[in-house]
Amino acid sequence: DADVTQTPRNRITKTGKRIMLECSQTKGHDRMYWYRQDPGLGLRLIYYSFDVKDINKGEISDGYSVSRQAQAKFSLSLESAIPNQTALYFCATSDSPWRVNTDTQYFGPGTRLTVL
Amino acid sequence: DAKTTQPNSMESNEEEPVHLPCNHSTISGTDYIHWYRQLPSQGPEYVIHGLTSNVNNRMASLAIAEDRKSSTLILHRATLRDAAVYYCILTHGGGDTGTASKLTFGTGTRLQVTL
Repeated sequence: DADVTQTPRNRITKTGKRIMLECSQTKGHDRMYWYRQDPGLGLRLIYYSFDVKDINKGEISDGYSVSRQAQAKFSLSLESAIPNQTALYFCATSDSPWRVNTDTQYFGPGTRLTVL
Repeated sequence: DAKTTQPNSMESNEEEPVHLPCNHSTISGTDYIHWYRQLPSQGPEYVIHGLTSNVNNRMASLAIAEDRKSSTLILHRATLRDAAVYYCILTHGGGDTGTASKLTFGTGTRLQVTL
């Protein structure tokens, strides 16, 4: 079984709808991340969480919110979806002690979201 | 933040070595050099990382210039399964834990491997 799973894998929705993307991990990592990827571009960080009580905005957090329900679960919500949020969304996890920057991030398979 | 520069694309023949370059002329002394790759329709996966010394693992080797302003990811024998986009990423070292662990992806190098 995959260590980092994302649901759904594909979703088509309409403008104005509320959407939740879910991420679960069995790696026991404290740190979790949400990225989005647009065609032909690299990944951009939306939100990240270093533990259950810690939530931080990334470079493109506007229009998104997150919830860290447990160490293993990190959800991304689009309160009112708009077409330019059509993208591939990736969840990632990492585990490292404080002040160590060599941690490896492990990515899920991605969720392809289309907003019509 | 220090930036990296990579060629947009490269081609290789199967079973030949591949050298993927990355320039990072503004790298700071505590920045680590990471490489990730993204296979088609998959999430990125970690390949290798280093600070100053060359590094080897089962996937690849990382050669770091003495002045650290450039590095090269080496795939010793490319296979069709190595066709992917390869990202060279700098991560900050120590100090502000708020910046540690965040990966800033550029557009990477798309590697094509042919028979």
